[in-house]
Amino acid sequence: EAQVTQNPRYLITVTGKKLTVTCSQNMNHEYMSWYRQDPGLGLRQIYYSMNVEVTDKGDVPEGYKVSRKEKRNFPLILESPSPNQTSLYFCASMRGNTGELFFGEGSRLTVL
Amino acid sequence: RKEVEQDPGPFNVPEGATVAFNCTYSNSASQSFFWYRQDCRKEPKLLMSVYSSGNEDGRFTAQLNRASQYISLLIRDSKLSDSATYLCVVNPGSGTYKYIFGTGTRLKVLA
Repeated sequence: EAQVTQNPRYLITVTGKKLTVTCSQNMNHEYMSWYRQDPGLGLRQIYYSMNVEVTDKGDVPEGYKVSRKEKRNFPLILESPSPNQTSLYFCASMRGNTGELFFGEGSRLTVL
Repeated sequence: RKEVEQDPGPFNVPEGATVAFNCTYSNSASQSFFWYRQDCRKEPKLLMSVYSSGNEDGRFTAQLNRASQYISLLIRDSKLSDSATYLCVVNPGSGTYKYIFGTGTRLKVLA
């Protein structure tokens, strides 16, 4: 089954404790991206990657890092989480010929 | 002005009604347009792409008006299962993949 898998789905952590949200896709898509969704603000792009070893900032990259060492994986790293990073996070990959985005189920992060 | 704007709703309509949503975008060079559906606390899923010539999929019709810089979504014969938030998504193009999402329009179909 074609899918994008994120882990963890739910996480409560404390300020400053480094965490990683993993994202993996099995569709051999070159493009992957991360979004955060907050009430009233919609989905905002954090980072995206056009291919292995190619990443670029989206609209809200501050406080986040990413890496793309293999095509299927695109982890999101919060080196020192802060309460304003409490949000619902989605990873997505894109089918190149149509532009359709396939989303993971989301990771709900709470930073205390 | 936001890059992509939608009326947040909610639109409360009875079953069987026809409902239409609009979405305006600010970048006239935008190249790709989509409607996504998002159920509460779930991931967005593609409903349909929006082509210059418009497109239809069953009860759903999407249209693009480049002159006025908006896209529309028409849902005919609304079903209870259509209740969701509908997201307008724009790709500005020019080699960028910074998809821009509207905040969504919430639809409630009432029995």
